[in-house]
Amino acid sequence: GAGVSQSPSNKVTEKGKDVELRCDPISGHTALYWYRQSLGQGLEFLIYFQGNSAPDKSGLPSDRFSAERTGGSVSTLTIQRTQQEDSAVYLCASSLRGAQYFGPGTRLLVL
Amino acid sequence: AQSVSQHNHHVILSEAASLELGCNYSYGGTVNLFWYVQYPGQHLQLLLKYFSGDPLVKGIKGFEAEFIKSKFSFNLRKPSVQWSDTAEYFCAVNAGYGSSNTGKLIFGQGTTLQVKP
Repeated sequence: GAGVSQSPSNKVTEKGKDVELRCDPISGHTALYWYRQSLGQGLEFLIYFQGNSAPDKSGLPSDRFSAERTGGSVSTLTIQRTQQEDSAVYLCASSLRGAQYFGPGTRLLVL
Repeated sequence: AQSVSQHNHHVILSEAASLELGCNYSYGGTVNLFWYVQYPGQHLQLLLKYFSGDPLVKGIKGFEAEFIKSKFSFNLRKPSVQWSDTAEYFCAVNAGYGSSNTGKLIFGQGTTLQVKP
């Protein structure tokens, strides 16, 4: 594909609901990253995938956050029992050899 | 812990002025360095990157950056800015070497550049 795509582009949910965010990386990119961009915290790393494995989950803020990747391609970030502090833009990036290329993000608003 | 500091939070320049945005990082080992730009309403785009070799790196749209290892710095420069350079600029560092390096980026807080026509 031309670039990293993410869906939905916007998501409004109620506190306590679960949400799923999807990322389609650039075809052939083996590494995939999730980041979060919020006003107070800037850009923060969440999780890293190499193929379908996640060797670095150190940035996930709580056990309400989980992610998976299947077929070495699409990844889903799931947030359970959303809280208002989860409101942010969730960014996905993919990489083949070093440089990361970002998608447009999913803007999540938890009411 | 590794950190990245961008000294200027908001910069206002007139067109044709020269630009230098500061970036310092805290990590004593091998680093890969990046500058990303986010234009209004658009997603993060890679401006330039440094992995090794010549410490003066040229990127897209006339931007360049210089890696000074002794100063732990990677400042972004452009000799003459245009109105279309109005955007937010992020410095990022990927630290570590070999299998210990997952590639995760540590970002600075960003610098908002406003160029007046």
